[in-house]
Amino acid sequence: DTEVTQTPKHLVMGMTNKKSLKCEQHMGHRAMYWYKQKAKKPPELMFVYSYEKLSINESVPSRFSPECPNSSLLNLHLHALQPEDSALYLCASSQRDIGLQYFGPGTRLTVL
Amino acid sequence: GDSVTQMEGPVTLSEEAFLTINCTYTATGYPSLFWYVQYPGEGLQLLLKATKADDKGSNKGFEATYRKETTSFHLEKGSVQVSDSAVYFCALSIIQGAQKLVFGQGTRLTINP
Repeated sequence: DTEVTQTPKHLVMGMTNKKSLKCEQHMGHRAMYWYKQKAKKPPELMFVYSYEKLSINESVPSRFSPECPNSSLLNLHLHALQPEDSALYLCASSQRDIGLQYFGPGTRLTVL
Repeated sequence: GDSVTQMEGPVTLSEEAFLTINCTYTATGYPSLFWYVQYPGEGLQLLLKATKADDKGSNKGFEATYRKETTSFHLEKGSVQVSDSAVYFCALSIIQGAQKLVFGQGTRLTINP
């Protein structure tokens, strides 16, 4: 099983809402990643978790709050987002913090 | 810093044409190199990879060779199909605390029947 799943597939939220994105993998991978992808652009790394500890935060605004409750799950908590945060949010995982990254299908987020 | 440069798109070809998408990189050290493909409305899928100089990655008729002397990793396919229409990203991996992928800008490929 080389699948990374993400829920929801689509999310529409207002600027005052609080929502969460979820990512799950059952490949035994110990590194998980959040990327943001704007239309017609490459993915941009946001966060890296290695062995459930945050190892990279690419200076992401605090309105994005990642959480790794266990080695299979990665959440991204969203609060007070701006319309410019509308994008495709991709999750990826790799066997350890050096290794091939497998991507999920993404959550398409629209902030109104 | 480390970077990847891809040929600008979009690229439009007829079915069965030969495809080349150029990719060059700048990196300190010896990165691994990747081609990812993104079909409309989907996430990224690994197409092929190469981890050292002169390695050739191949998958689904696509090939790319890691050329250290020209710092290139060009993607080729001998005969494209309509189903190959997608966005193709060249990427390298670097270690900065943890592994980071550095992507090129992407090349949109459209194959006409």
